[in-house]
Amino acid sequence: EVQLLESGGGLVQPGGSLRLSCAASGFTFTDYPMTWVRQAPGEGLEWVSTVHRSRFTDRYYAASIKGRFTISRDDSKNTVYLQMHSLRVEDTAIYFCARDWYDYWGQGTLVTVSS
Amino acid sequence: QAGLTQPPSVSRVLRQTATLTCTGNSDNVGNEGAAWLQQHQGHPPKLLFYGNNNRPSGISDRFSVSRSGNVASLTITGVQPEDEADYYCSAWDDRLSIWMFGGGTKLTVL
Repeated sequence: EVQLLESGGGLVQPGGSLRLSCAASGFTFTDYPMTWVRQAPGEGLEWVSTVHRSRFTDRYYAASIKGRFTISRDDSKNTVYLQMHSLRVEDTAIYFCARDWYDYWGQGTLVTVSS
Repeated sequence: QAGLTQPPSVSRVLRQTATLTCTGNSDNVGNEGAAWLQQHQGHPPKLLFYGNNNRPSGISDRFSVSRSGNVASLTITGVQPEDEADYYCSAWDDRLSIWMFGGGTKLTVL
């Protein structure tokens, strides 16, 4: 059974940093690109970042977070990360990780940026 | 970066057919098609279709998709109370190298 489990969310002050993790199981992790998508309270889905399979170096970012967030993956741990710096109030959202063409999703982790 | 365009809301009477649209351009929807996701309140999204008419296992055949140029459509035949949800389309933009989402359509079943 495919499972994605996000962690690392919480309350952080504006300008602060957080690292989100998404632990994957139930499939061959190295075969799939992985994506972070976020959803602000009461709002729609917003794509954040995608990292391709490790043998490809491609990483993609939304303009709204480019230069502040970094996606990475550790294939030895079946985990994808989202390192977030210079957080803003508008980054407040539930952050989901998803596999490939969004065929599996985690339950999400809430990030709240507030003073 | 402007997203894909979806109508904010659609209402249908029980057992009617609902068609939801998603408008992009030749770099995204018109290129590789769109994914469609369903999201019930308080739950993560669920994939209904991806690529060109690829339905994951377990998705009801009451759901179908089509595309005409830069407009993708999701049709729900005989809407049921459990179909009441938010529906999102998403497509990879080849020119911008980003994924794009539509703003979502809230389907209400009357």
